[in-house]
Amino acid sequence: EIVLTQSPGTLSLSPGERATLSCRASQSLSSSQLAWYQQKPGQAPSLLIYDISSRATGIPDRFSGSGSGTDFTLTISRLEPEDFAVYYCQQYGYIPRTFGQGTKVEIK
Amino acid sequence: QVQLVQSGAEVKKPGASVKVSCKASGYTFTTYGITWVRQAPGQGLEWVGWVGVYVPDGDYAEKFRGRVAVTTDTSTDTAYMELKNLRSDDTAVYYCARGSYGDFWGQGTLVTVSS
Repeated sequence: EIVLTQSPGTLSLSPGERATLSCRASQSLSSSQLAWYQQKPGQAPSLLIYDISSRATGIPDRFSGSGSGTDFTLTISRLEPEDFAVYYCQQYGYIPRTFGQGTKVEIK
Repeated sequence: QVQLVQSGAEVKKPGASVKVSCKASGYTFTTYGITWVRQAPGQGLEWVGWVGVYVPDGDYAEKFRGRVAVTTDTSTDTAYMELKNLRSDDTAVYYCARGSYGDFWGQGTLVTVSS
């Protein structure tokens, strides 16, 4: 099973600041099949990024994904008030399709 | 528009089974798989399994194998997840999502297991 480790656990930032979230895989994701989701309290997760760097429909361009092999990054260039939430990475190239434990982005 | 609408909350006793439904609309159901994910209270996301176009018998996380079955009914565009021999630590919100990664999600179904 591929283990995804997200860091940091919590990120305290102010609106307008840049957020950099990390997701490290226990083995190389040669298929490039990594996604990022945003989840707000009481809501289902919503897809932000798939295939490492492709934005889902309707996702603003302040969200970007990058990386390869075992190291992946979600960057939010300028935090908007609605971006404070929990973010999860997921690999979907291998069974089981594992999630990271999440990074909470909170208002400083 | 694509929608996944799940069945309502369930309360079950330990050892019982639960079957959660996920009705799809707004797209051709047979061209996408359905993934099931759960989230225990205050915890992260956990992949349960999925049924795909080319994986009709489903793939499952090892910890659920033998206790879970995911199926589809193409006559009603509905997917199902049945979990048997429920334990208290199966208490969670269960989500269905479209595809191998979830580009659309259901609203979630709370399953509470309590004696």
